[in-house]
Amino acid sequence: EDKVVQSPLSLVVHEGDTVTLNCSYEVTNFRSLLWYKQEKKAPTFLFMLTSSGIEKKSGRLSSILDKKELFSILNITATQTGDSAVYLCATLYGGATNKLIFGTGTLLAVQP
Amino acid sequence: DSGVTQTPKHLITATGQRVTLRCSPRSGDLSVYWYQQSLDQGLQFLIHYYNGEERAKGNILERFSAQQFPDLHSELNLSSLELGDSALYFCASSDGLSWNTIYFGEGSWLTVV
Repeated sequence: EDKVVQSPLSLVVHEGDTVTLNCSYEVTNFRSLLWYKQEKKAPTFLFMLTSSGIEKKSGRLSSILDKKELFSILNITATQTGDSAVYLCATLYGGATNKLIFGTGTLLAVQP
Repeated sequence: DSGVTQTPKHLITATGQRVTLRCSPRSGDLSVYWYQQSLDQGLQFLIHYYNGEERAKGNILERFSAQQFPDLHSELNLSSLELGDSALYFCASSDGLSWNTIYFGEGSWLTVV
């Protein structure tokens, strides 16, 4: 069964803290792993990772993929209240046709 | 405020998953200690790092690992989580190798569901 699992389910931090969100996957014919941020609207794209060991960065956010251990992490440094959201991990996979499967998400609450 | 900072304060995760707990020691402290406190047990020592090197191991499971980075902050990684891992995880720091005077952070509450 193809699946994407995220942990933790939720976490509460104070502004300025650093957090690490985890995403593990088991899919056939893996292509890429994607991170999204979802607030009260449609998910917004953060990163797409295809190669193992290469860190992607965007401001205070960074992510890296480990294709051997089949997981990815999303780091957020110096968190702000605006980072409060559900963070979704998804895997693009498949042979002839691309499939996208989402994890259940991690709810991040950043307190002032 | 002890000066030891732990994040996150609370987290909930499912069995089988992994989490990372972070600790920033007091300014100038080289030693970092990790402890676990669950409802049915007292404070249990897990591991001690000094200036980036592991110095002592206590009742730390093989599913758990830790490290101390060059900037002296430390991370405790918990994997293949079980219900029994639900606990308050404390980090503490001291300025040297002495176990007598250590300062505790406020802890990270982990709930495994």
